[in-house]
Amino acid sequence: QVQLQESGPGLVKPSETLSLTCTVSGGSISSYYWSWIRQPPGKGLEWIGYIYYSGTANYNPSLKSRVTISVDTSKNQFSLKLTSVTAADTAVYYCARETSLSGDPYFDYWGQGTLVTVSS
Amino acid sequence: EIVLTQSPGTLSLSPGERATLSCRASQSVSSKYLAWYQQKPGQAPRLLIYGASSRATGIPDRFSGSGSGTDFTLTISRLEPEDFAVYSCLQYGSPYTFGQGTKLEIK
Repeated sequence: QVQLQESGPGLVKPSETLSLTCTVSGGSISSYYWSWIRQPPGKGLEWIGYIYYSGTANYNPSLKSRVTISVDTSKNQFSLKLTSVTAADTAVYYCARETSLSGDPYFDYWGQGTLVTVSS
Repeated sequence: EIVLTQSPGTLSLSPGERATLSCRASQSVSSKYLAWYQQKPGQAPRLLIYGASSRATGIPDRFSGSGSGTDFTLTISRLEPEDFAVYSCLQYGSPYTFGQGTKLEIK
């Protein structure tokens, strides 16, 4: 059974960099796309971006200037960095695996989510 | 960017009733790229439907998806107590975008 676990600081100061890691267990990080998704308190979901195990990344244009997603296949991990954070970046951050069955993509495995609060 | 608008924002129904949730796109979406998720408080989203109409593994057959182009629908034929949750649609164009969600609450 594939499991994803987010880790990283729960509190980040304004203007600093938010850094999270997602550790994948029970399966290989290879041959899949891996995404970060966030959800501000009481609001809807927002896709941040994905990375392929080979290192190819794609970001949401609304965040592209501040986001970097990287992958470490040797550790079965991928990571998120979001720079210059503000209170608007306070959210539960999820990592998720994207599977494509017969060309139909979907997120089949999700982490439990981690709340990151931006505050001084 | 494709904007997904879900309606209604909140749907109040009783167990045993039929629920019909709408997801409308600002431009045409390939049916292959439309999915539905269920989310309960404090939990990660759970995949229900992918490819607009294919049920995910383990999802009861009371859940069904339909639609094409700009109009998609999630139907729950007979509501069970565990179905009361927030439902979101997601399109996998570039960039991926979610609808704002429909809260299905007990009447």
